[in-house]
Amino acid sequence: ETGVTQTPRHLVMGMTNKKSLKCEQHLGHNAMYWYKQSAKKPLELMFVYSLEERVENNSVPSRFSPECPNSSHLFLHLHTLQPEDSALYLCASSQEMGVSYEQYFGPGTRLTVT
Amino acid sequence: KNEVEQSPQNLTAQEGEFITINCSYSVGISALHWLQQHPGGGIVSLFMLSSGKKKHGRLIATINIQEKHSSLHITASHPRDSAVYICAVASGGGADGLTFGKGTHLIIQP
Repeated sequence: ETGVTQTPRHLVMGMTNKKSLKCEQHLGHNAMYWYKQSAKKPLELMFVYSLEERVENNSVPSRFSPECPNSSHLFLHLHTLQPEDSALYLCASSQEMGVSYEQYFGPGTRLTVT
Repeated sequence: KNEVEQSPQNLTAQEGEFITINCSYSVGISALHWLQQHPGGGIVSLFMLSSGKKKHGRLIATINIQEKHSSLHITASHPRDSAVYICAVASGGGADGLTFGKGTHLIIQP
């Protein structure tokens, strides 16, 4: 059983909708990540949070808005998305920020934008 | 920016076969990760290594820092090993993040 949960697991939304993805980790980790995985492409890092502070934004469009209210929860707010934003969105956490720490992934949210 | 290449992209083998998946990268790294992704999408970390070799059950990961190359081996493969195996490298510390390969899609037939 993973220590990182994500809801919803599947989401279909229109381009004018507003929705939010939720991630929760029960591991006591200090760093959390949002990744995007599009078909036939490698995982792309979107955002990194360390101790609730955003430390990385990889040129992600403003229609994606992250929020980290505490070290256990991470949200990704979505608005006016495009069909090309359809992808698997994965949340991960690690003990501390830094790529030498093992990352624990959630099951992902499969997003379809119509 | 580090370029990560995995080979093969797709691999189909019979149960019991010895499997090798390769990963090459272009720039020196601080750590390399091997991940496993099952059809449902969830990702599990298999190994994190910066030198030498690690073994966990039927899985073995090796890395050659000088040659910028890593291999993931599966001994006595089983249909439940069918998954996408992803190599990811860390080129620095902090928030630089991981650079991921496209993955190797492995199917083990009974």
